[in-house]
Amino acid sequence: EAEVAQSPRYKITEKSQAVAFWCDPISGHATLYWYRQILGQGPELLVQFQDESVVDDSQLPKDRFSAERLKGVDSTLKIQPAELGDSAMYLCASTDNLNTEAFFGQGTRLTVV
Amino acid sequence: EDQVTQSPEALRLQEGESSSLNCSYTVSGLRGLFWYRQDPGKGPEFLFTLYSAGEEKEKERLKATLTKKESFLHITAPKPEDSATYLCAVDTPYNTDKLIFGTGTRLQVFP
Repeated sequence: EAEVAQSPRYKITEKSQAVAFWCDPISGHATLYWYRQILGQGPELLVQFQDESVVDDSQLPKDRFSAERLKGVDSTLKIQPAELGDSAMYLCASTDNLNTEAFFGQGTRLTVV
Repeated sequence: EDQVTQSPEALRLQEGESSSLNCSYTVSGLRGLFWYRQDPGKGPEFLFTLYSAGEEKEKERLKATLTKKESFLHITAPKPEDSATYLCAVDTPYNTDKLIFGTGTRLQVFP
């Protein structure tokens, strides 16, 4: 069964360090999302790609976060410098253009110390 | 502002004790309403999509229904393995297909 792949599963980093997360969506899915989920809350959208183009990054803290999807397939989300408040689960999801349900990866649990 | 509210925040059930979870939404237009299940430390797992008032979908012990302002996830005769957080999300025509999530209902089913 096709899955959204994310790595790493867990990451511990010191504040002010740089950290990066990787996502490989389901093959053929043109739309890719990065969500952030704080413990006890629902996921919140950080950035949405349609192929290699950013569709929505209105909630992305652009002073420290960046995201790219250079070839329209896999994607990287970077935080530099990391802050204590960035500790959360970072979820990647993808969808095709025929259905609207998004399929999520297992997430990356980030802890900033 | 588009908003999704889920209740209760947490629910404890005895095995076999049926109940319902609520998702109410205030949106400028509804393209679809989604239910996800999330186990601790994992990503959300897709359950259902509902598109119009009156629509119902079922999967094993779960049944989702939709009205113009809310959705219910009915759990019939739950088992301990149904324990998880259930998330509701909406997609609106004015939000570039992004999902707006509620905070979830944490369900615990005891044997």
